[in-house]
Amino acid sequence: SQQGEEDPQALSIQEGENATMNCSYKTSINNLQWYRQNSGRGLVHLILIRSNEREKHSGRLRVTLDTSKKSSSLLITASRAADTASYFCATSQGGSEKLVFGKGTKLTVNP
Amino acid sequence: DAGITQSPRYKITETGRQVTLMCHQTWSHSYMFWYRQDLGHGLRLIYYSAAADITDKGEVPDGYVVSRSKTENFPLTLESATRSQTSVYFCASSESKGSGGADEQFFGPGTRLTVL
Repeated sequence: SQQGEEDPQALSIQEGENATMNCSYKTSINNLQWYRQNSGRGLVHLILIRSNEREKHSGRLRVTLDTSKKSSSLLITASRAADTASYFCATSQGGSEKLVFGKGTKLTVNP
Repeated sequence: DAGITQSPRYKITETGRQVTLMCHQTWSHSYMFWYRQDLGHGLRLIYYSAAADITDKGEVPDGYVVSRSKTENFPLTLESATRSQTSVYFCASSESKGSGGADEQFFGPGTRLTVL
C-alpha cells in the first residue's frame, strides 16, 4: 500500500514559472525523499529531509516538511523545459532501509 | 563502468516461461532492491537484500524469487511468468550509513518486460 500520495497527479506550467508538488503520508517517518524520473529512465534522488527538519534547499529546489500535517512540498523555482519529468516522494519509517513511494506527479514545463 | 546496470533492457517472453532479470552495482552498497513500476501504482517493492545471502520480501513478492550470492549482484527471477507481471522493473542500491532512516537509493535504467 502506498504511504505517500502526491498532489497534483499532473501539472503543466510555462518555463520560468514555479512548480509546487505536494506529498501526504499516513504514518510517522524518519525522513522523506524526493526523486525525479525522466521518461524512460530510472529514478534520480533529489533531496532528503529528516523528520526534525522543516525546510531544505538544493539549488532551485526547496522542500518543506510538516510532520504535524504529515505532508511535504517540493518547490521548483524558475522552471526549465529540462525539469519536465515525474516527481516522486518516498518515505522512510522505523529503522528500515526500505522506502515507500507515492504514485508521482507528472510535471510538464512548456518552453 | 561505475554505477548500477540492469540487463536486459527489454524482454519479451511468453506465459509460463522462466525469466531472470540481472542487476549489478559497482559501489559495494550493502542494500539492493527490486521494484516494479506500473501505471496507476507507482513503484512497488518486490524484494530487497541487506547483504549477501540476506533477502526479504517487499510489498508484492508473489511469483518472484531473488538470490544474492555476491554483494554486487541481485538477480530477480520470474519462475513462471504471467501477463500480470508485464511491467517495468527497476533495481536500486543504497549504502546503509546508520543514520536512523533509509539512505538515498541509486536506480538502474530499468528493464521493460512484456509477457505475452
